[in-house]
Amino acid sequence: QQPVQSPQAVILREGEDAVINCSSSKALYSVHWYRQKHGEAPVFLMILLKGGEQKGHEKISASFNEKKQQSSLYLTASQLSYSGTYFCGTVTGTASKLTFGTGTRLQVTL
Amino acid sequence: EAQVTQNPRYLITVTGKKLTVTCSQNMNHEYMSWYRQDPGLGLRQIYYSMNVEVTDKGDVPEGYKVSRKEKRNFPLILESPSPNQTSLYFCASRPRGGFLATNEKLFFGSGTQLSVL
Repeated sequence: QQPVQSPQAVILREGEDAVINCSSSKALYSVHWYRQKHGEAPVFLMILLKGGEQKGHEKISASFNEKKQQSSLYLTASQLSYSGTYFCGTVTGTASKLTFGTGTRLQVTL
Repeated sequence: EAQVTQNPRYLITVTGKKLTVTCSQNMNHEYMSWYRQDPGLGLRQIYYSMNVEVTDKGDVPEGYKVSRKEKRNFPLILESPSPNQTSLYFCASRPRGGFLATNEKLFFGSGTQLSVL
């Protein structure tokens, strides 16, 4: 079952912050985050593991809430280059499958 | 350069005409996978392979075939394409198969935009 991402789309002005959430109906083992520019391949951002710490990548960080079965991606002081579609991918239980959410489209404007 | 190579980049075909989309990786990765991407549905897994000669269905395998005769290659075969298979396809790989390898990142190919008329 696909994880649920929210919001589906967000428009920001350069310098503003954003949060993207990824929720699972099953217990999470790990959460992946990828960013995709239009017409290009998804690019890896970070992986969060159960019991692991909050991760960071430039001004992008993420957290993992085991109790809520949720991960959140934080984009701080957004830049034009942050525009794209963000996907979370979840690994649940003992399956070795990574299941992606439907994506959050982020647009950063001047 | 370490990469996943897909061909072709764009493909227009007609209903029922068999086609193959090739995928090759030069990183000696054990795990390879195919995804299709459709608006509003995100990336959905078609088939995956844990290693040579080991393949398994993903979430949307109907209408597709795969084979893994060599470690580096994982072609996607559409024996009788239909318009509902019009989509953007991505091949991806990671170093290992298995559950513990799910904490390894996926390397994606550039994608194949397929249109079935």
